[in-house]
Amino acid sequence: TQLLEQSPQFLSIQEGENLTVYCNSSSVFSSLQWYRQEPGEGPVLLVTVVTGGEVKKLKRLTFQFGDARKDSSLHITAAQPGDTGLYLCAGAGYNFNKFYFGSGTKLNVKP
Amino acid sequence: DVKVTQSSRYLVKRTGEKVFLECVQDMDHENMFWYRQDPGLGLRLIYFSYDVKMKEKGDIPEGYSVSREKKERFSLILESASTNQTSMYLCASSFPSGAYTDTQYFGPGTRLTVL
Repeated sequence: TQLLEQSPQFLSIQEGENLTVYCNSSSVFSSLQWYRQEPGEGPVLLVTVVTGGEVKKLKRLTFQFGDARKDSSLHITAAQPGDTGLYLCAGAGYNFNKFYFGSGTKLNVKP
Repeated sequence: DVKVTQSSRYLVKRTGEKVFLECVQDMDHENMFWYRQDPGLGLRLIYFSYDVKMKEKGDIPEGYSVSREKKERFSLILESASTNQTSMYLCASSFPSGAYTDTQYFGPGTRLTVL
């Protein structure tokens, strides 16, 4: 059983569309991270959110941490083909050396 | 730039063989991790190490062991490879910030196939 559930699992959209990816859990996390992984590479950190209700923006990407620190969302505005990849959320437990990863959302943005 | 390198990008082994996967990081990070990545399951932690010669089991340690003799190097060992260990193996390292915000830096992965 995954500690963190991501939805949708797959997403294929046209360039210019908006999308939201969700990361949900019944557990509380001390922080939550989002990574993007491109084919043949390891995941690369996009953002860390720490405070319940926190919103962070990274150009066209908006990340939100739920008030109860159990869930998070990633919203992409005007998606571009360069956004294509596997998006992973990761929650930090209170043993802060350890992160729990979600199952991933595979995004394909068609030109 | 932080660099995490893994000894092989692709590896094919036979059932029962002993397999060594090597990972080296160049940023003097205390923490190192081994994950396996399978479709639909995300990344699952096998083992991690927070110091030389120290190791802790992750969520799926069965069938694996690790070695950390030097700070920069963390090895994953499959004692007797089995077909259900066919997977992508990712190594990562981080500097412990102590504030639940560690950034993990990942290597490119080793795709292991066990026949």
